[in-house]
This record gives sequence, C-alpha cells and structure tokens, in this order.
Amino acid sequence: AQRVTQPEKLLSVFKGAPVELKCNYSYSGSPELFWYVQYSRQRLQLLLRHISRESIKGFTADLNKGETSFHLKKPFAQEEDSAMYYCAFKNYGGATNKLIFGTGTLLAVQP
Amino acid sequence: GAGVSQTPSNKVTEKGKYVELRCDPISGHTALYWYRQSLGQGPEFLIYFQGTGAADDSGLPNDRFFAVRPEGSVSTLKIQRTERGDSAVYLCASSLRAGASFGELFFGEGSRLTVL
Repeated sequence: AQRVTQPEKLLSVFKGAPVELKCNYSYSGSPELFWYVQYSRQRLQLLLRHISRESIKGFTADLNKGETSFHLKKPFAQEEDSAMYYCAFKNYGGATNKLIFGTGTLLAVQP
Repeated sequence: GAGVSQTPSNKVTEKGKYVELRCDPISGHTALYWYRQSLGQGPEFLIYFQGTGAADDSGLPNDRFFAVRPEGSVSTLKIQRTERGDSAVYLCASSLRAGASFGELFFGEGSRLTVL
C-alpha cells in the first residue's frame, strides 16, 4: 500500500539550530515527493517538490530511493519557520495529481 | 478570485442531517480535489475531478458522501445522514491540470464541519 510516514508529531528546536523533519514513504514504483506547509491561520501550501531540486526559504529535501526517505532539512532554524509540515507523495507520471499525505510534524522554533 | 474559496467556513449540524459544502476553484484550474482532515491527522483524499467528471472517487468513505461538479468549475460535496464521525475540516484544492504536471495543489481554507 502507498503510505507516507512522518514519525514525529512535534519537533522543538531553538532558533539557529539545524532542523530535520523526517519523511519515509512506501511505494514500489517511481514516486514524486513534496513538502507542504501550513503556517498559523493560513492555508496549506506547497513548500517544495523533489523534481525541482530547489531550496525554498532555506529548506532542502533530497529523495533517497534506497532508504525511501525525503527528509526536510534547514541548517539554521528561524522563528518564522514554526508551522505544520506535511510530506506528500504521488505516483510519478500518474493520471492524477492525487496526493497522499503524512500525518504532519509540528515544528516549533523557540527564541 | 485570488484563490480557492470554500463555503461555509464553519458548519454545525445535528446527527442525521444533510450537509452541502461548496468549493470555488481558481479560475482556469481543470482539476479539483476534496480532502478531509480530522484532528491530528494529515489531509485524507476523498475525490478528484478532471473537468466535470469524477476521475477518482476511491477515497469516499461510504455512499453517504457524494460530490458533483456539473459545469467543470464549482463543486459541491454532499453528506447525507451525517454522523458524529464526519466531524472534520473538509479541504478543497485545485490545480492547473492532472497527469504529467508538477503536482502543486492550491488549497482553500477549508470548511469545518461539526456534527453534534
């Protein structure tokens, strides 16, 4: 079955500390992986996608097919990074954009 | 409009009642999705439309749930004989096209349904 696992419900770090939000997926084919973010009182929005190999707001994520992981990283956390982060997966080249989401990790950056 | 619009933002109803939730996608977006998010969970896929037709309704939990998109724009999610377990935030999203795209879904703010 296709599944996305985010093992941490809450990750609390201090400002300036490195951040790693974990995401593992279960799928035998070629996946597309995404990170979506929801800031307080805002709607869910795309942060980054693996095929773009981009860095957004200092965040990066590398798809590791061997470990079936797509962890989100940032070297120095900022208070404005505090938000709910969801890892999401879709079947690469599939007929739909149906995304399967993980349960989310709440990132709390302390001053 | 500037983004995906959902109404009502909040709906409180009694067990057994019928509910309709409306979604107005971004103009020009052909794909429309409904998700449900329960407390402490990630968004759970319900149904996806490409144009007017439901291309994938595999996430609808049972036949009390139904959705339409008659003109390929606005969509309505309909829930019959509501149950307390239906309480959740119902999210709508739209995207430019399906298939070989970048997979960016634009979400609405959601409709919070509470069944008493």
